[in-house]
Amino acid sequence: NAGVTQTPKFRVLKTGQSMTLLCAQDMNHEYMYWYRQDPGMGLRLIHYSVGEGTTAKGEVPDGYNVSRLKKQNFLLGLESAAPSQTSVYFCASSPPGQNYGYTFGSGTRLTVV
Amino acid sequence: RKEVEQDPGPFNVPEGATVAFNCTYSNSASQSFFWYRQDCRKEPKLLMSVYSSGNEDGRFTAQLNRASQYISLLIRDSKLSDSATYLCVVKYAGKSTFGDGTTLTVKP
Repeated sequence: NAGVTQTPKFRVLKTGQSMTLLCAQDMNHEYMYWYRQDPGMGLRLIHYSVGEGTTAKGEVPDGYNVSRLKKQNFLLGLESAAPSQTSVYFCASSPPGQNYGYTFGSGTRLTVV
Repeated sequence: RKEVEQDPGPFNVPEGATVAFNCTYSNSASQSFFWYRQDCRKEPKLLMSVYSSGNEDGRFTAQLNRASQYISLLIRDSKLSDSATYLCVVKYAGKSTFGDGTTLTVKP
C-alpha cells in the first residue's frame, strides 16, 4: 500500500527557476492538500482540492499554482522560485467529511539558492 | 492570535512518567479535532481523533472541552519511542489548521 507518494524527495533550485512537485495517492481520496513547513513552525496550507478538476487557495498561496486533472494526482508548481520558498512541502489526502484525518506523503525538501 | 496554540515545550520526562499536553483553539465553530505525531524530519501521522466524551487508545487519552475551547493529550507510562513532536489539529469546513507542535523527549 503506497498511500501518498511525493516526488521528488529533494531538490535544489536557483532563484527564478520553475519546478513542479507531484503528489499521487492510491486511496481514492476526494480531498488533497499541499502544506509547507518551516523550521519551528506549524504546517501552513498552500492550496487544496475537494475533487478532480477543482482547486482552492489556502493560507499562503502566493507564488504557487496547482492542478488536479486526475483524482489521484495533485501537482504543485513554483513559477519563479524565491529563497523564501525554501521549505519542506507535504502533500496530504483525506476522504470527504469532517471526521477524517489526513494521510501525508513523506515530503519534499526544497532549497532555493 | 494564532487559531491553534500549543505550548512548544520541550517536555523532557523520564521513562514511565505521565505527561499531558494542552492545545487551545479560537474558532468556536470548529467541528473536529485530532492529535498527530511527527518524528524528526518525517511526515505527520495521525495519532488519534478527539471526541467530546473523551477517548482512549492504549496509553493515550484525548479530551475535548468545547466550552473552554481546548483539547488535551495525556500519555501514561512514557516510552523512549514516544519522543516526537505532537501536533494539535482543528478542522472546520473541510480544512485543518495545525498547531506548531509540542516537543516531547523521553529519557532513560
